[in-house]
Amino acid sequence: EAGVAQSPRYKIIEKRQSVAFWCNPISGHATLYWYQQILGQGPKLLIQFQNNGVVDDSQLPKDRFSAERLKGVDSTLKIQPAKLEDSAVYLCASSLFGGVKNEQFFGPGTRLTVL
Amino acid sequence: DQQVKQNSPSLSVQEGRISILNCDYTNSMFDYFLWYKKYPAEGPTFLISISSIKDKNEDGRFTVFLNKSAKHLSLHIVPSQPGDSAVYFCAARRTGNQFYFGTGTSLTVIP
Repeated sequence: EAGVAQSPRYKIIEKRQSVAFWCNPISGHATLYWYQQILGQGPKLLIQFQNNGVVDDSQLPKDRFSAERLKGVDSTLKIQPAKLEDSAVYLCASSLFGGVKNEQFFGPGTRLTVL
Repeated sequence: DQQVKQNSPSLSVQEGRISILNCDYTNSMFDYFLWYKKYPAEGPTFLISISSIKDKNEDGRFTVFLNKSAKHLSLHIVPSQPGDSAVYFCAARRTGNQFYFGTGTSLTVIP
């Protein structure tokens, strides 16, 4: 079974530039999550999708961050314009809705550095 | 508002001994708790979980204990092995499959 795929793995941009991250979840997983993990902290949920609908985006800075999951499969997360404090690892995860273990499967993450 | 807390940023244990990682939470609405293990440059991987209706779950060398009255859970690793060296995250689930993570504990198992 293929895992969660993310690209790119690394990205370096200057502040005020734009950046986009891509995630392909595990086949059949209805729920998709985007997390931001700042160095030394735990993952913080940015947005959660159930199929192509948003379940929770309460912690997404909507003035600069946007995310979509148009066909209920792949997802993109965009930052426009980026700030220095956006430097972090962006993790995508997916899960079976109502799965027995309630576990999420994480991708390797995209490490963003904003200069 | 940190609803899940791991107050020990790091822990060192001798190989073969027990590792105990602790986690505290504040929200009594959490109904499921999970531990994840993370190696550098990789995403977290699921380790073990426990439902709020239980107080213990065991899987091989890993056991999770839940004390609901204290809003506290712990992960025991016995015996600890060098390959267990990683960052361990505690996570809690709220209804709607929304998860909250702790800040992580870096475990080093010394050969």
